Amino acid sequence: EIVLTQSPATLSLSPGETATLSCRASQNIYNYLAWYKQKPGQPPRLLIYDASNRATGIPQRFSGSGSGTDFTLTINSLEPEDFAVYYCQQRSNWPSVTFGQGTRLDIK
Amino acid sequence: QVQLVQSGGEVKEPGASVKVSCRASGYTFTSYAMHWVRQAPGQGLEWMGWIDTGNGNTKYAKSFQGRVSISRDTSAKSTYMELSGLRSEDTAVYFCAREWEGLDYWGQGTPVTVSS
Repeated sequence: EIVLTQSPATLSLSPGETATLSCRASQNIYNYLAWYKQKPGQPPRLLIYDASNRATGIPQRFSGSGSGTDFTLTINSLEPEDFAVYYCQQRSNWPSVTFGQGTRLDIK
Repeated sequence: QVQLVQSGGEVKEPGASVKVSCRASGYTFTSYAMHWVRQAPGQGLEWMGWIDTGNGNTKYAKSFQGRVSISRDTSAKSTYMELSGLRSEDTAVYFCAREWEGLDYWGQGTPVTVSS
C-alpha cells in the first residue's frame, strides 16, 4: 500500500503570509496527486488534481507542484478562509486511493 | 448543478449493519464513478471503496474487505454503502464522492454512531 506522509502536522501562520505544505509518497506516484481543503463540519473540497491543476473555482493563490514522490501545495497571501485542514490523496493504483494524514493550518 | 445528497444519520448497536445512500443529480449518473470515504471523530480521511456506476464493478479497501458492500441503482441515480459487523471504531462520518479529475463533488456526510 502506498503511504502518504504530510508535513508539518500543524502550521501556524498569519493572514497575508505564504503557506507551504508537503506530501511525500512511499513510492513513485507520478503526478497522480490531489489536494483537498476541509473545514470543520464540512466535506473536503478539491483544490488541485494531477499535482498542479487547479480545480474549478479555486483561486490562483493556490498552486501545486511536484512529481514522483515529493509534492508541495503553496498558498500565497493567506486569507482568513484558508485556515483549515489540508489533505493530499494519491490515485496511482486506481481505483484504490489513499490519503495523507492531513496538515492543520492555524491562524498565528 | 451537481449535487450528492446522502441519507440521514444513524445510530446502531455493535454487530449490526448500516446502509447509507447517496443520490446524485445534475449530471449523467453512469458517466462518473463514486468513492466512499469515512472520517472518524477528530481523525483524517479513510478510503473505503469505489464503484463504477456504469457497470457496477467494485473495489474495496483491504481493511474493510468482507464487511463492506457498495452497490448502485441507476434508475434511482443512487449509490449505497453497506457496512456490517459494526463496532465502536466504525463511529464516523461517511461520505460519497464523485470521481472525475480528483474527487470533485462530495456528499454532505452521514454520521453513523455505533453504541450499545
